[in-house]
Amino acid sequence: DAKTTQPPSMDCAEGRAANLPCNHSTISGNEYVYWYRQIHSQGPQYIIHGLKNNETNEMASLIITEDRKSSTLILPHATLRDTAVYYCIVREISGTYKYIFGTGTRLKVLA
Amino acid sequence: DTAVSQTPKYLVTQMGNDKSIKCEQNLGHDTMYWYKQDSKKFLKIMFSYNNKELIINETVPNRFSPKSPDKAHLNLHINSLELGDSAVYFCASRRESRETQYFGPGTRLLVL
Repeated sequence: DAKTTQPPSMDCAEGRAANLPCNHSTISGNEYVYWYRQIHSQGPQYIIHGLKNNETNEMASLIITEDRKSSTLILPHATLRDTAVYYCIVREISGTYKYIFGTGTRLKVLA
Repeated sequence: DTAVSQTPKYLVTQMGNDKSIKCEQNLGHDTMYWYKQDSKKFLKIMFSYNNKELIINETVPNRFSPKSPDKAHLNLHINSLELGDSAVYFCASRRESRETQYFGPGTRLLVL
């Protein structure tokens, strides 16, 4: 079973910041949080990942709470092309880099 | 240039047939994966190979057999196809010691 819970859907106005929450209250100390997205029926696309510090790249920012029990993915200026299903994943520490995908959040960016 | 490619893109076949899906990556990655996404959009890992060695084998029926002729290819052979095998199958790859998995475009399998 997935170790994360996310709201099933969210709307965001174009040009505004999209803040996607994720709960991972059972995360272990050395488990990373990953975010991927799936646009329509394409293959999932990597966005960002982090351990405990906040991270930023050209696509998004990842804010992880101090207790690491939750995180937020921020798309600073959402565009229509950001409409997708966003998956928050906690990677198992088995060393096989196995992802357990949850149900994700369906983000709809509105014009 | 396509990083992770899959063939065919669409596959429609009859129940009971045997079919194969091919995956190739030109990224020089060491590890490759097969995922299945069903009609409810749940994405589940099936197999993973590292340098042609099987390292992940989830509870998948033994009608599904992955084959890795070299580390750039991971093919999925399915025997005696069933209606429930209808899904989108995604291949992915990853470089050793790196976190990011790169996914292919998917193969849409429909069993009639």
